[in-house]
Amino acid sequence: DTEVTQTPKHLVMGMTNKKSLKCEQHMGHRAMYWYKQKAKKPPELMFVYSYEKLSINESVPSRFSPECPNSSLLNLHLHALQPEDSALYLCASSLTENYGYTFGSGTRLTVV
Amino acid sequence: GQQVMQIPQYQHVQEGEDFTTYCNSSTTLSNIQWYKQRPGGHPVFLIQLVKSGEVKKQKRLTFQFGEAKKNSSLHITATQTTDVGTYFCAANAGNNRKLIWGLGTSLAVNP
Repeated sequence: DTEVTQTPKHLVMGMTNKKSLKCEQHMGHRAMYWYKQKAKKPPELMFVYSYEKLSINESVPSRFSPECPNSSLLNLHLHALQPEDSALYLCASSLTENYGYTFGSGTRLTVV
Repeated sequence: GQQVMQIPQYQHVQEGEDFTTYCNSSTTLSNIQWYKQRPGGHPVFLIQLVKSGEVKKQKRLTFQFGEAKKNSSLHITATQTTDVGTYFCAANAGNNRKLIWGLGTSLAVNP
């Protein structure tokens, strides 16, 4: 299995909703990432988990809450988002940090 | 903060023409990675370069890492319509564990 699986593929949520994005990989990768990407821009790092521990938080607002239940799973919990949070949310994994990333196909999030 | 400058921002070529995108940094890079993102898709890892002066080839794609490890290039020979997309470089510099991304070069190919 050489994939990173993200669900859901599309999500529309209201500003008062709570939702979660899920990411799964079975490649034995020990680093996992959440990125946010706006149209025509490079991916923007949000969080890095290394060996299931949060190692980088890029000053992300607390309405985004990551969770790494085990070495294969990564979640991103969303609460009270703003319309400007609408974007493509990408999960990625790598063998360890500083190796090439395998990205999932992303969740296209719209906040209304 | 640390930056990786990528040029050009856009490139429009006729099918069969060559294409090159460049990434430059003012600081020494530990490694550089290249990704391709098709329209509506997600970034796909192409390659990682680590050694000074390294050159790697993948079919029609040639990747180079400069001798000073401050620049890199991706060259595509005889472009095809399947090469359409945005090409990003991304690098680690020094002890910075965070990957620094270029702004990308968007390639359009006329059939």
